[in-house]
Amino acid sequence: QKEVEQDPGPLSVPEGAIVSLNCTYSNSAFQYFMWYRQYSRKGPELLMYTYSSGNKEDGRFTAQVDKSSKYISLFIRDSQPSDSATYLCAMTLYGNNRLAFGKGNQVVVIP
Amino acid sequence: DAGITQSPRHKVTETGTPVTLRCHQTENHRYMYWYRQDPGHGLRLIHYSYGVKDTDKGEVSDGYSVSRSKTEDFLLTLESATSSQTSVYFCAISDHSYQGNTIYFGEGSWLTVV
Repeated sequence: QKEVEQDPGPLSVPEGAIVSLNCTYSNSAFQYFMWYRQYSRKGPELLMYTYSSGNKEDGRFTAQVDKSSKYISLFIRDSQPSDSATYLCAMTLYGNNRLAFGKGNQVVVIP
Repeated sequence: DAGITQSPRHKVTETGTPVTLRCHQTENHRYMYWYRQDPGHGLRLIHYSYGVKDTDKGEVSDGYSVSRSKTEDFLLTLESATSSQTSVYFCAISDHSYQGNTIYFGEGSWLTVV
């Protein structure tokens, strides 16, 4: 079993729709959870960061962590064509300097 | 943008030749990483460094070596390139060991081995 599972998609949605992405993981010791956004032919950039369980909101983006279910989610409200990218989840342990990544989920927002 | 420069950005090389990719940072961050990204596999850690001359293997280190003689530079060497090493290579930097919110990625180096 992979440490982090993420359905690669692709996911196509009309402009203005809500995008819902998720990852599951197997290591219950993970404490730090991240979402990265990667545009075509660019490096990943940090989008959202969450420690432990709970929700975090930043503008149109909401990250949720459910440690009891080992499940994290990213929601994008009022999606825009500029949100078209690949979204990667990542997580790590306390005291560990390496990230476990999901394979990434390609999102296309259609105008 | 984090001050990370990767070079070369694109390279085509022949099987069996040595290749060195360079990562240069201007942030004075302690940790530096080399990842490769392939369809169906996502990002995989090749090697990382936690200080000058201090390096360790990642999950896909076979066929790769690294060196870090200065804080700002982290070199990835393919001693004898193979077609399976055709990939996009990303350098990343971080100044914390236990959090992921300070890891920044470079723009990538596209390597094709023919």
